[in-house]
Amino acid sequence: AQKVTQAQTEISVVEKEDVTLDCVYETRDTTYYLFWYKQPPSGELVFLIRRNSFDEQNEISGRYSWNFQKSTSSFNFTITASQVVDSAVYFCALSEARTGANNLFFGTGTRLTVIP
Amino acid sequence: KAGVTQTPRYLIKTRGQQVTLSCSPISGHRSVSWYQQTPGQGLQFLFEYFSETQRNKGNFPGRFSGRQFSNSRSEMNVSTLELGDSALYLCASSFGLDWATEAFFGQGTRLTVV
Repeated sequence: AQKVTQAQTEISVVEKEDVTLDCVYETRDTTYYLFWYKQPPSGELVFLIRRNSFDEQNEISGRYSWNFQKSTSSFNFTITASQVVDSAVYFCALSEARTGANNLFFGTGTRLTVIP
Repeated sequence: KAGVTQTPRYLIKTRGQQVTLSCSPISGHRSVSWYQQTPGQGLQFLFEYFSETQRNKGNFPGRFSGRQFSNSRSEMNVSTLELGDSALYLCASSFGLDWATEAFFGQGTRLTVV
């Protein structure tokens, strides 16, 4: 069965610190996608990144970077030089070709608070 | 372009009533998925519609149903509301069934059942 684990429930950092959000997943499918979404207080889920199971290349987008390691079934998200606007709940999610690309299984989320 | 629009944003209903929520996807998107978010269960997939057909369904009772219209707009309906149905209901739209597409979410409808 598929599962996404975000062991960190809440993290607090001081502005400008780097922070890494952990995500561990389980799937028996060989074709799958991993996602990160940000949920600010307004409620909508903001898409951050999608990575397919065949592409383990790490990605950097501005202050955001993602480390995908199939060997450890992890897809970690790092924010460099955190800012107050980064405060939100972050969700890692998985979809499988077998159960449908748009059927996302979400982790429980990590609430990040950036203290000014 | 306009994002995913969900209406209403907030709703209060009484136990036993039914409710209909609406989702207008991004123009050109044909797939609409619905999710329920609660503090206890987190984000859970309800169902997905593509070209007016339900493609996938999550593990929810039959009281939860949906449909999609020819313009890709979707509605979900919950009958015989229970207190536990209080949640944020999120709709996501994507271009198609192609697993390379990404899903964009609306701001959700917050349903409170009293």
